[in-house]
Amino acid sequence: AQTVTQSQPEMSVQEAETVTLSCTYDTSENNYYLFWYKQPPSRQMILVIRQEAYKQQNATENRFSVNFQKAAKSFSLKISDSQLGDTAMYFCASVGGSNYKLTFGKGTLLTVNP
Amino acid sequence: EAQVTQNPRYLITVTGKKLTVTCSQNMNHEYMSWYRQDPGLGLRQIYYSMNVEVTDKGDVPEGYKVSRKEKRIFPLILESPSPNQTSLYFCASRDRGWGPYEQYFGPGTRLTVT
Repeated sequence: AQTVTQSQPEMSVQEAETVTLSCTYDTSENNYYLFWYKQPPSRQMILVIRQEAYKQQNATENRFSVNFQKAAKSFSLKISDSQLGDTAMYFCASVGGSNYKLTFGKGTLLTVNP
Repeated sequence: EAQVTQNPRYLITVTGKKLTVTCSQNMNHEYMSWYRQDPGLGLRQIYYSMNVEVTDKGDVPEGYKVSRKEKRIFPLILESPSPNQTSLYFCASRDRGWGPYEQYFGPGTRLTVT
């Protein structure tokens, strides 16, 4: 079984600044993958970044990067140079096991202020 | 364009009136699944299908049925909807196989049961 915990229901940041969203997880699987999804007001689920648990190197995608601490079971998302379009709900999720199920956290609502 | 399509996008119905939410994908994915999203709970898996021959329950299957007769189509059936099934529903698909494959989500169906 897997659990994903996002402890920050809401956060805000000023445009152009950097913000970090927290995520911790628990899993009994040896092989698993971690994801951050973004859900803007349109409700569409958009993949932001993914991390393979067996890779020590932190994933990066342009302004988005993760801090993956496997021993601590922590997977935080850093957004640099925040833009108004980054305003969205952000979900941390994990996949492990044979059914490819995404287990989601409860989400963090990020607001970028001008 | 690669996409997952859901219909209808919005639906208001009454308790007990059978309904079906359709889902189709054009990416030739074998794996498809349904999630529901509720405030403060994140997304939870309802049912999934590894291929046309295999479907199975997710975390919250009570009150739902699925049918996978074609590879690209995976409808969600509510035989007797109840108000506690008022929610935002997402269909998703991905490549089969173990790896950090992205799950592609449909645009969501907002269901209200009165």
